[in-house]
Amino acid sequence: DTEVTQTPKHLVMGMTNKKSLKCEQHMGHRAMYWYKQKAKKPPELMFVYSYEKLSINESVPSRFSPECPNSSLLNLHLHALQPEDSALYLCASSQGWGETQYFGPGTRLLVL
Amino acid sequence: TQLLEQSPQFLSIQEGENLTVYCNSSSVFSSLQWYRQEPGEGPVLLVTVVTGGEVKKLKRLTFQFGDARKDSSLHITAAQPGDTGLYLCAGAGAGGTSYGKLTFGQGTILTVHP
Repeated sequence: DTEVTQTPKHLVMGMTNKKSLKCEQHMGHRAMYWYKQKAKKPPELMFVYSYEKLSINESVPSRFSPECPNSSLLNLHLHALQPEDSALYLCASSQGWGETQYFGPGTRLLVL
Repeated sequence: TQLLEQSPQFLSIQEGENLTVYCNSSSVFSSLQWYRQEPGEGPVLLVTVVTGGEVKKLKRLTFQFGDARKDSSLHITAAQPGDTGLYLCAGAGAGGTSYGKLTFGQGTILTVHP
């Protein structure tokens, strides 16, 4: 089983709202990732967690706040987003840092 | 900064034709993945190649990793409309600050007409 699940599938929020994206995997993977993807562009890395600790933050604005409550879960908390943050947000996981990444189906986010 | 140049960017062909997509870089990668993505969905892993010179086949798809692990190709034989989608190559950094990070190509949008 190589499944990564993400909820919600779609999200519409205003610029003053607070919302969270959720990602889950039960493959025993110890590395988890958040990516942002604009239409017809490749994914852009945002954050990497390895063994539940934040390993990489690709200079992401503080209005995006990641959290890794346990080895199977990864959250992305959103606050005071801008319309340009509208995108497909992808979660991925891998057995270990640097190994093959498996992506979830994504959350389509629209910021109004 | 590692770069991975993917070509062609767009490909529109008729059912039954063959095609090849290329990914080239001046950097060495520890592995290279190929993904296929449908609109609004996440990338789905097709293959991982690890060894220089490696060739892997997945039904009508043939993947090759260059001897120096700097380039890769995807060849589709007798394309079908179900092959339509965005194809992404992604190389995993081999060391330094790039270790483990995926460098994505810009993608190839493939359209196969019936």
